[in-house]
Formats: sequence, C-alpha cells, structure tokens
Amino acid sequence: ETGVTQTPRHLVMGMTNKKSLKCEQHLGHNAMYWYKQSAKKPLELMFVYSLEERVENNSVPSRFSPECPNSSHLFLHLHTLQPEDSALYLCASSQALGPGRGRYEQYFGPGTRLTVT
Amino acid sequence: SQQGEEDPQALSIQEGENATMNCSYKTSINNLQWYRQNSGRGLVHLILIRSNEREKHSGRLRVTLDTSKKSSSLLITASRAADTASYFCATGPGAQKLVFGQGTRLTINP
Repeated sequence: ETGVTQTPRHLVMGMTNKKSLKCEQHLGHNAMYWYKQSAKKPLELMFVYSLEERVENNSVPSRFSPECPNSSHLFLHLHTLQPEDSALYLCASSQALGPGRGRYEQYFGPGTRLTVT
Repeated sequence: SQQGEEDPQALSIQEGENATMNCSYKTSINNLQWYRQNSGRGLVHLILIRSNEREKHSGRLRVTLDTSKKSSSLLITASRAADTASYFCATGPGAQKLVFGQGTRLTINP
C-alpha cells in the first residue's frame, strides 16, 4: 500500500455536487489506473494512463472525468453522480515500457470510499 | 473474457492451518498474479507466476500454475490472524490491463 496515496479517504456527496479524487504515486512509475470496486462485483478497470496518455477508457460514463497532469499524479473529477456510483475507488500505478508493455505488477493506494446521497 | 474466478468464495480456518484458494481463467495468459486486500483497503501484490513456471514460493506462500487446466492455486501455510483478507487472482491480455476475479474471503480464527 505504501508508495501510492489517495485523498480524500472518505467522501460523501450529493448528486448535484462536483468533487475530485486525487492520487499520487512516489514509486517512479509511469502508468496509473483508476478502478471501481463495488460490493459483490469484481474490480472494474475504469481508466489507464500510460506515459501520460490515456490508453484505456472502459465505457465509463462521462460523469467521471480523469486527468493525468504528469506521471506522478492522477485525478478523477466527479459530477452529477448517481447513488449506484457509491463504491471504493482505487488508484494504482505500475512501470510501463510503452503501450501495453511493461511490468505487470500494480501497486495500489488505500482507496477513496465514495458515498453518493 | 479472461476474467479469473476464485474458488471458494469464502474460507474459514483455524490459525495454524493451511489455506488453499483456486483460480480459473479462460484464455491463454502471459502470467498470473495474486493480490491480497484487507477490508476496505487497497490491494497488495503478493506474487506473479509466469506461464512457463509451474510453481513459485514466497515466504509462506506457494503458487502453482497449470496452463493445461487454465488454473492456479495459492497456498498459505501456517496461517495467522493477520492473513485474514480477500485474495484475488489477476490475469491480463497485456501489461496495464489486468482483469481481476471476485476474490476469496479468507478468515483465520484464533
């Protein structure tokens, strides 16, 4: 868990709010990920940034908007969310050598527990 | 889908006993990984086994891979209360696109 930090750890927001989740990795990696973990569902890959380019967008609704200003930071901007978006949002990082290439091991942050009311 | 599926979904054993979890997947893989997740926390990488390896050890962990059966197992020996967690296998069509199973919830009873 160490090496990847996420803030805030807990977030409660109304359906009309706008908020952002932040992730920072201190491992010198150059690929970063957002995952969604809902109860009783497998971990879902949302977005992948490799070498600061978005290389994966798994049909995520536009109310989720990622931003990767540099290889160490990743944001997930949230707006007009739905109650079913309540979940644990996990950030991860890994070492990429190019699109689809690199080390497979991913390092995860502790997650942000999001509740949409 | 290349999704790994863990079995059993839940496992409860006494401290000191061995715990075995299994993972099955559907397509050819380059490698398979196991991760641990403590309740409500991030995942921790445990071990990676490549498709040309049959067995790998790391401390009290032993992972086997049978590519002919498209399955892997994770054995935790001499379990401890701190091993209580969910365990996931993950496979990927490539780096940067891992697919996780639903996990096995392991409970170690004192």
